[in-house]
Amino acid sequence: DSGVTQTPKHLITATGQRVTLRCSPRSGDLSVYWYQQSLDQGLQFLIQYYNGEERAKGNILERFSAQQFPDLHSELNLSSLELGDSALYFCASSFTGVGTGELFFGEGSRLTVL
Amino acid sequence: ILNVEQSPQSLHVQEGDSTNFTCSFPSSNFYALHWYRWETAKSPEALFVMTLNGDEKKKGRISATLNTKEGYSYLYIKGSQPEDSATYLCASVAPGTYKYIFGTGTRLKVLA
Repeated sequence: DSGVTQTPKHLITATGQRVTLRCSPRSGDLSVYWYQQSLDQGLQFLIQYYNGEERAKGNILERFSAQQFPDLHSELNLSSLELGDSALYFCASSFTGVGTGELFFGEGSRLTVL
Repeated sequence: ILNVEQSPQSLHVQEGDSTNFTCSFPSSNFYALHWYRWETAKSPEALFVMTLNGDEKKKGRISATLNTKEGYSYLYIKGSQPEDSATYLCASVAPGTYKYIFGTGTRLKVLA
């Protein structure tokens, strides 16, 4: 158990809908990262937050947004969903968030868009 | 754009064999290199973090080396066991960024 909690574990929805994925980082970790893993793709970096502030952005679509709350949990919002958004979304946390700390991954949220 | 490549994409080895895989990253844009182990139906777990050229890390039968001048890292597994079967990921971090950019992984299957 990494200490990182992601909900929901599985989600099935229709095209055009909006969903929210939630992540609670490991106790004491200030940084949260979101990754997307599509079929046959590696982990694609979406966005990173550190202590409530956005710190780095990857190839995150404009239809996607995220935030980190004062209690350090984070939410990833995916809107106007398309079939291609079906993927496993991972949240990871780290204490420092500066690149030398190991990432602790949650179990992922599997999104299926029909 | 930070491009991290791993090879081979997959391999099968017999129990007891030793094996190694490669992670390549831009040597001109390096801050840290991470290795993760990802078992099926689980989430990735950290193995090593390396930052200095010539770094060598070891954990049991698994070890890693780092060459920042030429932009590669090797992961070695000595005496492979079936429980070593997993996907091994590397991630590189460039200076001034906070992004862990992952390669696509090497999928290892150890046959009993």
